[in-house]
Amino acid sequence: DAGVIQSPRHEVTEMGQEVTLRCKPISGHNSLFWYRQTMMRGLELLIYFNNNVPIDDSGMPEDRFSAKMPNASFSTLKIQPSEPRDSAVYFCASSSSNSPLHFGNGTRLTVT
Amino acid sequence: SQQGEEDPQALSIQEGENATMNCSYKTSINNLQWYRQNSGRGLVHLILIRSNEREKHSGRLRVTLDTSKKSSSLLITASRAADTASYFCATEGVIYNQGGKLIFGQGTELSVKP
Repeated sequence: DAGVIQSPRHEVTEMGQEVTLRCKPISGHNSLFWYRQTMMRGLELLIYFNNNVPIDDSGMPEDRFSAKMPNASFSTLKIQPSEPRDSAVYFCASSSSNSPLHFGNGTRLTVT
Repeated sequence: SQQGEEDPQALSIQEGENATMNCSYKTSINNLQWYRQNSGRGLVHLILIRSNEREKHSGRLRVTLDTSKKSSSLLITASRAADTASYFCATEGVIYNQGGKLIFGQGTELSVKP
């Protein structure tokens, strides 16, 4: 099992550019979560999906952020336009019923 | 807002000593989980304790849960340099249809010196 796969591992972009983060959950897991980690705010839940359906997006900071899960094996988190305050490590995690979360290694985003 | 608050924020001990980390939370929970994060990596699940359990063991890990005080502790016995990492508690609330949604604390940074 390859675990949760995130890409890219690092992303450096200029303010105003569109950023797309990608995640492949573990096969068979039906829940997928996007978290953001910063020194100031810790680990924040942005959005999560059950069976490809968004359940709770109350953590999405603002309309510049959007997430999709077109099928059970792929999800994207998009920021458009990006701002310097979006700089953080973004984690994707997946789980199945009664199982703990399995995290990817994250995407470190730097917006200059 | 963050559900879990952990203390201490940082802990430095010698190899062989025990390390204790505490977590407090605010609302009713289904379970509480502890995760570990090595620098530059994702979080890794360590142990889960359900709301009707008071203590749980896994290898050198011991977790306690006091729902009346809304608090938990993680004890790592006979620590090793390889235990150096950040440790997070996370709670799953009892709200219907929120299954699997975890809220994380700010974490404790543990440093074990050889």
